[in-house]
Amino acid sequence: EPEVTQTPSHQVTQMGQEVILRCVPISNHLYFYWYRQILGQKVEFLVSFYNNEISEKSEIFDDQFSVERPDGSNFTLKIRSTKLEDSAMYFCASKPGSTDTQYFGPGTRLTVL
Amino acid sequence: SQQGEEDPQALSIQEGENATMNCSYKTSINNLQWYRQNSGRGLVHLILIRSNEREKHSGRLRVTLDTSKKSSSLLITASRAADTASYFCATYDGQNFVFGPGTRLSVLP
Repeated sequence: EPEVTQTPSHQVTQMGQEVILRCVPISNHLYFYWYRQILGQKVEFLVSFYNNEISEKSEIFDDQFSVERPDGSNFTLKIRSTKLEDSAMYFCASKPGSTDTQYFGPGTRLTVL
Repeated sequence: SQQGEEDPQALSIQEGENATMNCSYKTSINNLQWYRQNSGRGLVHLILIRSNEREKHSGRLRVTLDTSKKSSSLLITASRAADTASYFCATYDGQNFVFGPGTRLSVLP
């Protein structure tokens, strides 16, 4: 069964560094999402992406964040200058557009030191 | 903005018992979904219930939706130790999901 994949599974970085989190959505999906989950807290919506542009973004998704679909398969989340409070699990999700179910990747745990 | 809220925050039961978790939300939705998350792991989709549905079953899972009360419940029957996880409801308004804070379920052998 096709699934969303994310790399790396765990990323450790120094405060102020740039990180890129990578996702490979399911191949025929058209809608893409990033969420984050700070340890022990709820899953929070960051951004949605469709037709090569951002559809919606939350207040969390400030100028430090950007998303890109550089080719036909990858979907990336970049954090330009990480802060300690960016430490969280980051989940990518995709959906085909014909159903309401989003399929989530396993997540990338980001630790900012 | 709409927001799913689950209760209880934590639930501890014995293996074989039933577990019931509730979710409340604030605004109109297209559907509501329940997810499971094992500690530190990814989200696994359990079940989707649409706004015009009242009850759905999937194996040992039973989900109800009461749109007049803006609430949903997830029932896990005959629980197993392997059901130990966090369970999240997520409401979908036609564009995006909003997750609740989750219920941590512990099933003791």
